[in-house]
Amino acid sequence: EAGVAQSPRYKIIEKRQSVAFWCNPISGHATLYWYQQILGQGPKLLIQFQNNGVVDDSQLPKDRFSAERLKGVDSTLKIQPAKLEDSAVYLCASSLDRTGEQYFGPGTRLTVT
Amino acid sequence: AQTVTQSQPEMSVQEAETVTLSCTYDTSESNYYLFWYKQPPSRQMILVIRQEAYKQQNATENRFSVNFQKAAKSFSLKISDSQLGDTAMYFCAFMNSGNTGKLIFGQGTTLQVKP
Repeated sequence: EAGVAQSPRYKIIEKRQSVAFWCNPISGHATLYWYQQILGQGPKLLIQFQNNGVVDDSQLPKDRFSAERLKGVDSTLKIQPAKLEDSAVYLCASSLDRTGEQYFGPGTRLTVT
Repeated sequence: AQTVTQSQPEMSVQEAETVTLSCTYDTSESNYYLFWYKQPPSRQMILVIRQEAYKQQNATENRFSVNFQKAAKSFSLKISDSQLGDTAMYFCAFMNSGNTGKLIFGQGTTLQVKP
């Protein structure tokens, strides 16, 4: 079966610009996660969707980050405006349900200059 | 709040030897799950092994096994017969069983397997 797809793989932007990431989960997976992985650290959950509803966005900086999962399939994560400290790898993961194994995509490496 | 600590930033092992990666966690919950994930260089993160806290028996997956000490809140990963393909960053992670599925990760341990 196809894995979790993410695009773009790399993105370089200047601070104060906006950027969007796309994720296509494994077919049939109801739960979708966005993690932020800063260099040298473990991933940190930004937002979790169950179908097209938000389950947990407690660590999402809502003043600049937004995410949506229309129709309960694909998801986009947006940053506007970007800050230097947003430089990180953004990982998307999906699972059949909330406690199922999470399958990770290859990530999008964002560099903010 | 739950926390996960990996105190070994880097480790190395000779091919075919055994290595143990350490992880400790802090929680007030009694039911939870623990995981080890592997993140090879420039490749996707994959699940290595999973342990349910209510199970006393340590999980095993081929060359990978864990030593789960619930009272000590310790969860170490043992890799036997290390192979070059085991070279990766390894993350310990915690999930509350009553939770949304949110994984809390440690800082990671970089493992280098040397030929």
